[in-house]
Amino acid sequence: AQKVTQAQTEISVVEKEDVTLDCVYETRDTTYYLFWYKQPPSGELVFLIRRNSFDEQNEISGRYSWNFQKSTSSFNFTITASQVVDSAVYFCALRRKGGKLIFGQGTELSVKP
Amino acid sequence: DTAVSQTPKYLVTQMGNDKSIKCEQNLGHDTMYWYKQDSKKFLKIMFSYNNKELIINETVPNRFSPKSPDKAHLNLHINSLELGDSAVYFCASSQAQDLAGHGYTFGSGTRLTVV
Repeated sequence: AQKVTQAQTEISVVEKEDVTLDCVYETRDTTYYLFWYKQPPSGELVFLIRRNSFDEQNEISGRYSWNFQKSTSSFNFTITASQVVDSAVYFCALRRKGGKLIFGQGTELSVKP
Repeated sequence: DTAVSQTPKYLVTQMGNDKSIKCEQNLGHDTMYWYKQDSKKFLKIMFSYNNKELIINETVPNRFSPKSPDKAHLNLHINSLELGDSAVYFCASSQAQDLAGHGYTFGSGTRLTVV
């Protein structure tokens, strides 16, 4: 069975703080894909990143970075120097090859000025 | 051009009514989905269609009936609406034989409120 767990339901930080959103997944597949999506208050789902199971390189995109560790089945997301515009619900998701996209419960991030 | 478009964006209706939500994608994808996001923000897949054929039906009440007239369209019809059907419904599309494992492209969602 496949499962994604985001243990942090809500996180509140003050602007310019760094924040890490945790994601732990379960799968028996050797080939799978991990994703992060952002859902701002306006409601749409915005794709942030995709990572396949064979690529454990960390990735940095501006203030965003992702740490993929197969040994701990984790795919954590860090926002450096957070801004108010980062306030949103963030979803981690897992997809087996050709399979359906399964979401974690989401983490609501609130960045206060 | 919007890649995945859903209409309407908002839908308020009374219990017992029947309503439809439409979805269209212009990405040339062969697979489309409906997801339901509940009040706790949890996103759960409801249905998946591949080339007009139903391939996933996740124990959704049979009051919900998806219809796919062609691979670019997947509509959701809901009969006898109940209060618990209030949610945001997202349509999405992808390519089934997706060796690169890309994620889905989502529509902007339809907020359904049953009163």
